[in-house]
Amino acid sequence: AQKITQTQPGMFVQEKEAVTLDCTYDTSDPSYGLFWYKQPSSGEMIFLIYQGSYDQQNATEGRYSLNFQKARKSANLVISASQLGDSAMYFCAMSSSGAGSYQLTFGKGTKLSVIP
Amino acid sequence: DTAVSQTPKYLVTQMGNDKSIKCEQNLGHDTMYWYKQDSKKFLKIMFSYNNKELIINETVPNRFSPKSPDKAHLNLHINSLELGDSAVYFCASSNRDLGGNEQFFGPGTRLTVL
Repeated sequence: AQKITQTQPGMFVQEKEAVTLDCTYDTSDPSYGLFWYKQPSSGEMIFLIYQGSYDQQNATEGRYSLNFQKARKSANLVISASQLGDSAMYFCAMSSSGAGSYQLTFGKGTKLSVIP
Repeated sequence: DTAVSQTPKYLVTQMGNDKSIKCEQNLGHDTMYWYKQDSKKFLKIMFSYNNKELIINETVPNRFSPKSPDKAHLNLHINSLELGDSAVYFCASSNRDLGGNEQFFGPGTRLTVL
């Protein structure tokens, strides 16, 4: 069974500072994918970044980077130069092909608040 | 150019009623999903369809029945609605041949059962 753990229910960060949101995972599948989604107060799920289990380099998308440490089974999201618009819920998720499709298993989320 | 769309966005109904939520994607993906987000914001997979065929059916009451008329549509029908069904329901899609590394969500449907 797959499991995603996000240990930080809430985080605060000063505007323009960097912040790291923690995510650890557990799976027995050799091939899997790791995702981060942002959910602002308006409710939509916004895809941020993806890391494949066989990718050698950490994924980056603009101000977002994924710190992938396979041996530790961690996939932390780093947001650089935080902006007020980054205030939202952030979900870490994992997919694998084991079940025949790529449905996502989600963590419980981290609520990030950016302070001006 | 909406990638994954859902209707309605809000649904308020009485206990015992039957309702449907529609989902359409124009991304050319071959796999579609329904997720449920509860009041604590926890997201959980309900169903997964690949090329109109049900792949995953997590432990969901049989009052919930997904229907996929074609690859681009996956509708969710709910019979005999209960108070505990109140949640936000998200449709999503991905392409299995791409290794599932793109999974896009619809805007969600907030269901309130009174």
